[in-house]
Amino acid sequence: DGGITQSPKYLFRKEGQNVTLSCEQNLNHDAMYWYRQDPGQGLRLIYYSQIVNDFQKGDIAEGYSVSREKKESFPLTVTSAQKNPTAFYLCASSTGQGLVTDTQYFGPGTRLTVL
Amino acid sequence: GEDVEQSLFLSVREGDSSVINCTYTDSSSTYLYWYKQEPGAGLQLLTYIFSNMDMKQDQRLTVLLNKKDKHLSLRIADTQTGDSAIYFCAETPFSNQFYFGTGTSLTVIP
Repeated sequence: DGGITQSPKYLFRKEGQNVTLSCEQNLNHDAMYWYRQDPGQGLRLIYYSQIVNDFQKGDIAEGYSVSREKKESFPLTVTSAQKNPTAFYLCASSTGQGLVTDTQYFGPGTRLTVL
Repeated sequence: GEDVEQSLFLSVREGDSSVINCTYTDSSSTYLYWYKQEPGAGLQLLTYIFSNMDMKQDQRLTVLLNKKDKHLSLRIADTQTGDSAIYFCAETPFSNQFYFGTGTSLTVIP
């Protein structure tokens, strides 16, 4: 089955530690995205990538880093510089071709809690 | 980023119609979308509408678009308890960039 997977579903981290969230897709999509979701604030874009080996900052990139070495994978690292990292993180992908059906497909999310 | 506004909460009785509203800022958005998020899960696309359309109907869902007022609404007919979720509208003023609203949490009362 085609889709997007995120792992782990729940993640706990001690303050001061970096942690990497996984996102993999087998939809052959060029574009991938990372969002952060906080209660009452909707989705905020962290980083996005339109093609392998290229990515751009979104609205709240500070304290996060990404890489896009393979088309299928877009891991997000939450660094110790991120002041309030406890949140629900969502990964998405799209064809990236600007077509009418170029909607975003979402993974199930990772809930990160900093202890 | 763009401002996409929604009311945070809506409660309806089972069997009634639900209307979820959204206002957006960029009149150049070509497509506008509605997504549904069930607890602890990712977002699922419900429907979308072209900016040159006023209305789109898909089974129990009706989308209305008022471009002049930059207002989008989603009507769910005969609302069921399984419709309880958070609903997001989204606009795409730029290719490959989506701006999501704050989400409306719909509670269906049996």
